[in-house]
Amino acid sequence: GAGVSQSPSNKVTEKGKDVELRCDPISGHTALYWYRQSLGQGLEFLIYFQGNSAPDKSGLPSDRFSAERTGGSVSTLTIQRTQQEDSAVYLCASSLFLRETQYFGPGTRLLVL
Amino acid sequence: GENVEQHPSTLSVQEGDSAVIKCTYSDSASNYFPWYKQELGKGPQLIIDIRSNVGEKKDQRIAVTLNKTAKHFSLHITETQPEDSAVYFCAAARSGGGADGLTFGKGTHLIIQP
Repeated sequence: GAGVSQSPSNKVTEKGKDVELRCDPISGHTALYWYRQSLGQGLEFLIYFQGNSAPDKSGLPSDRFSAERTGGSVSTLTIQRTQQEDSAVYLCASSLFLRETQYFGPGTRLLVL
Repeated sequence: GENVEQHPSTLSVQEGDSAVIKCTYSDSASNYFPWYKQELGKGPQLIIDIRSNVGEKKDQRIAVTLNKTAKHFSLHITETQPEDSAVYFCAAARSGGGADGLTFGKGTHLIIQP
C-alpha cells in the first residue's frame, strides 16, 4: 500500500509568514510523529499523536509551533511568524500502534527567506 | 534524556568490502534500536531494528549487534554495493519509540568506491 505522504514537498516563505505542513500517514496507523532535520541539529523529535491526542507538546521548539490531527488520520504542523532558523526538513512518521516501528515520509523542505 | 553518539561521520569503503558503523547510547532504559538509511532528497528508510531481548539480528547482507552492558550497538554491511551509498542513522528509544520518540545519532555518510 501507499507509504507516508507529505505536502508540500518544498516550501519557500518569507520571514514572518505562517506555514502549514501536511502529513498523510499509512492507512490504519494510529500513531503519528513529527521530526525536524537540520544541518546543525540532526534529526530532532517534535511531537507525537496517539489517535487525535498529543499528550506531550514539550518537544515543540517554541510556541510558534503547533500541530493537530483530525479523524485519526491527517496531521498538520503549523509554524506561525516563521523565522530563518525554522528552515529545515520536516519529517512525518507513522506506526501501526504506539511503540511500533516508525515509517517515515519524504519530508517537506522549508526555506524561510 | 537520551543521547546517541554515532561514529564515524564519514566512511569510505571499496565495493565488496564490509562497512561497520557504531553507536553508543546513554539511557539504560532504552530498549529499541532501529537503523535508517537516507538517500539524498528522501526520507529515512528503516533497514533493520533490534530490541533489547536479543544480541544480534541479521537480514541478508545487513546485521546489527547490541551490547546492553556497554550500551553500544553496531551496523554491519557485508559485500557492499554502490546502492549502499547513503547516510545511515542509528536511533534509540524506550518502549519502541512511543511517547519519547526516537533519539537519533548524527548520521554516517557511507561512500562505496567502485
